[in-house]
Amino acid sequence: AQTVTQSQPEMSVQEAETVTLSCTYDTSESDYYLFWYKQPPSRQMILVIRQEAYKQQNATENRFSVNFQKAAKSFSLKISDSQLGDAAMYFCAYRYTFGNEKLTFGTGTRLTIIP
Amino acid sequence: ETGVTQTPRHLVMGMTNKKSLKCEQHLGHNAMYWYKQSAKKPLELMFVYSLEERVENNSVPSRFSPECPNSSHLFLHLHTLQPEDSALYLCASSQDSGSLPTEAFFGQGTRLTVV
Repeated sequence: AQTVTQSQPEMSVQEAETVTLSCTYDTSESDYYLFWYKQPPSRQMILVIRQEAYKQQNATENRFSVNFQKAAKSFSLKISDSQLGDAAMYFCAYRYTFGNEKLTFGTGTRLTIIP
Repeated sequence: ETGVTQTPRHLVMGMTNKKSLKCEQHLGHNAMYWYKQSAKKPLELMFVYSLEERVENNSVPSRFSPECPNSSHLFLHLHTLQPEDSALYLCASSQDSGSLPTEAFFGQGTRLTVV
């Protein structure tokens, strides 16, 4: 079974600084997707960034980028120029490519932005 | 109008009550999901509906009964719940296209408290 581990329950960063959230996963599959979701106090889960396992290039979305290390099964999220609106719970998730969608989530990291 | 709408946002119910959670998606997706989010635990997938057919039921107790009358609506009927069922219940939808699925879009959740 696939598992996703986020070892940092809480993180904090000074506004405008850079922070990296860690995620590791375990799977025997070679084709899969990895996601980072953000859950602000409004509770709605919002997709931040997604990575296809077959792509070697790390995904980037504006201030958000990932460091995808397939051999190490590591998928960290880097937030540059942190803003107050980035404060939220961040969840790492895994999805096998084929078949019906089933997201496996980590336990989340609560990110606090210090003004 | 958000893509995935859940009602009610908050629900307090007694252990002998019967209530229903509603989810509606306006994205034209063909798959819908119920997740349970408890404190300090990964999101737990409860049910998956693809093309209005239930394709996954992750050993959820029978006091939770899902219903998917069409591809846009998903219900979770609740009866004789236990206090440990108190949690945030999240609905999500996606376009299940075999090997090219979309990511899941989430509603804002229903905060359920069982007293």
